[in-house]
Amino acid sequence: TQLLEQSPQFLSIQEGENLTVYCNSSSVFSSLQWYRQEPGEGPVLLVTVVTGGEVKKLKRLTFQFGDARKDSSLHITAAQTGDTGLYLCAGLPSGSARQLTFGSGTQLTVLP
Amino acid sequence: ETGVTQSPTHLIKTRGQQVTLRCSSQSGHNTVSWYQQALGQGPQFIFQYYREEENGRGNFPPRFSGLQFPNYSSELNVNALELDDSALYLCASSLDRELSSGANVLTFGAGSRLTVL
Repeated sequence: TQLLEQSPQFLSIQEGENLTVYCNSSSVFSSLQWYRQEPGEGPVLLVTVVTGGEVKKLKRLTFQFGDARKDSSLHITAAQTGDTGLYLCAGLPSGSARQLTFGSGTQLTVLP
Repeated sequence: ETGVTQSPTHLIKTRGQQVTLRCSSQSGHNTVSWYQQALGQGPQFIFQYYREEENGRGNFPPRFSGLQFPNYSSELNVNALELDDSALYLCASSLDRELSSGANVLTFGAGSRLTVL
């Protein structure tokens, strides 16, 4: 079983601060996705990274896929209260293109 | 274009009972996947349905079963409910069964919150 570990599990910061969330595994993934989930809703896809070393930017969010495709990070610059939510990484295991393996999530709270 | 809709949104059952959860896929999507999300955890893959057949299964016992209908909607059935079955059950649809294409991504519904007492 390929596992994804996310850290930190909980993060509470002030508006305007920067933060980084990490997603690590001992296994290789063919691609990795980041989702945000708000209370009472399903996860919403933010980005997909496919190539080792790939960096993608989405406004204030920067996503990086590790060179070996075993880890990823999400960096948020100048956090806003609207960024509050559960951030989930999910990997597509090598050899299985039909199911995602999710991390346990990082609950981010941005305080005004 | 409508998204993925699930029903019911909340339900309470007792141990040993059976439950059926329903999902309507997004327009144009032919594949439905079900995930279980326990409190404080990430979603776990239960199974995927494609062309009305189970097309991949996670580490869940046979009392978890499903159906897909010709209109691509789907049901998740759980028999002999246990306390640990309490969770948010998420349905996700996709254009096709192979998620390796960057264009083929999962669209999740809001989930059905099951509480087993």
